[in-house]
Amino acid sequence: DGGITQSPKYLFRKEGQNVTLSCEQNLNHDAMYWYRQDPGQGLRLIYYSQIVNDFQKGDIAEGYSVSREKKESFPLTVTSAQKNPTAFYLCASRHTGGWGIYNEQFFGPGTRLTVL
Amino acid sequence: QKEVEQNSGPLSVPEGAIASLNCTYSDRGSQSFFWYRQYSGKSPELIMFIYSNGDKEDGRFTAQLNKASQYVSLLIRDSQPSDSATYLCAVTEGRGSTLGRLYFGRGTQLTVWP
Repeated sequence: DGGITQSPKYLFRKEGQNVTLSCEQNLNHDAMYWYRQDPGQGLRLIYYSQIVNDFQKGDIAEGYSVSREKKESFPLTVTSAQKNPTAFYLCASRHTGGWGIYNEQFFGPGTRLTVL
Repeated sequence: QKEVEQNSGPLSVPEGAIASLNCTYSDRGSQSFFWYRQYSGKSPELIMFIYSNGDKEDGRFTAQLNKASQYVSLLIRDSQPSDSATYLCAVTEGRGSTLGRLYFGRGTQLTVWP
């Protein structure tokens, strides 16, 4: 089955710790995205990557870091510099082919991060 | 920063009624528009996309786009309790597959009561 997997489903972090959220896709998509969602809020873009070894900051990149060493993987690290990291984190990917058409983003199941 | 505004809700309709969800956007260059449905605690799933002015129908769902007014809407006919969810409007920043991101509204929570 093709799809996007995120792990873990739930993650608990102590103050001052860095944690890494995993996102893997086997859809052969070029572009991948990380969003943060807080209760009652829409999706806010953290980082995105359109090709391997390249990524761009979104609207709320401070306190986060990413890497894109492989096409199918786009891990997100939540660093201790992120002061309020408790949120629902969503990874997405999309196919970038088809000039003039913006293909849909497919979402993984999400990781719920809680700071203790 | 591109703005995407949705009717704040929550929206409550009886089963069988038409639910109307609205979205306005600030970027006149936006070319592609998406409606995602998100059940509580789950990730968003795409239910409709539209690129051209006018209406696009898919089953009980109709998306309407008016680029001159910078307005996109979603109508859900014969609403069912299973339609109860938050609906997110998403808009691209311009034409072409090289432009990478979507801008999302905050969502409208819909409740369909039996």
